[in-house]
Amino acid sequence: GQNIDQPTEMTATEGAIVQINCTYQTSGFNGLFWYQQHAGEAPTFLSYNVLDGLEEKGRFSSFLSRSKGYSYLLLKELQMKDSASYLCAVRAASGGSYIPTFGRGTSLIVHP
Amino acid sequence: DAMVIQNPRYQVTQFGKPVTLSCSQTLNHNVMYWYQQKSSQAPKLLFHYYDKDFNNEADTPDNFQSRRPNTSFCFLDIRSPGLGDAAMYLCATSRVDTGSSGYTFGSGTRLTVV
Repeated sequence: GQNIDQPTEMTATEGAIVQINCTYQTSGFNGLFWYQQHAGEAPTFLSYNVLDGLEEKGRFSSFLSRSKGYSYLLLKELQMKDSASYLCAVRAASGGSYIPTFGRGTSLIVHP
Repeated sequence: DAMVIQNPRYQVTQFGKPVTLSCSQTLNHNVMYWYQQKSSQAPKLLFHYYDKDFNNEADTPDNFQSRRPNTSFCFLDIRSPGLGDAAMYLCATSRVDTGSSGYTFGSGTRLTVV
């Protein structure tokens, strides 16, 4: 099985930068995803990493270190609408297919 | 717009009364997934289809069944809902099961068992 760990809750100030960490233990690693989920809504795709390094996409960046089983999501110039849960998902080989397993999410609260 | 649609958005069912949740997609994706998500918890994979190949997670209760009659539709059947089955049920799709395409989620069905 897989073990995915992320902080339960974080708070930050509007305009600031926040880093949300995710650590995982798995075999047959095949990629790591970050999703944003607002309360009562479906998760929406933010980023994908399969090789080590940083992927940048506007205000959002995601980093991966496969050897350390570690990723982070970096959010810059925080806005109030960024208040949401951020889910780390690891895809790994399972039988003959590849399955994504989600962490429980980090609830980010952005205050003025 | 191509999308994943789940109906209904909210479903109330009686304890022990069979209920079916539906998911349709216009993305023509090969893979469809059903997740159960309880409050403040991670989405938990129940099963997935790669085309018509059904894959059941080892810890998915027998009370949960699924059907995929064609590429576009997938159903989740709960044969005898218990109070512990109250949750958000999320349907997701992906074009294939690898690569960067990620997963597209429907808006979910929130199930209440009374």
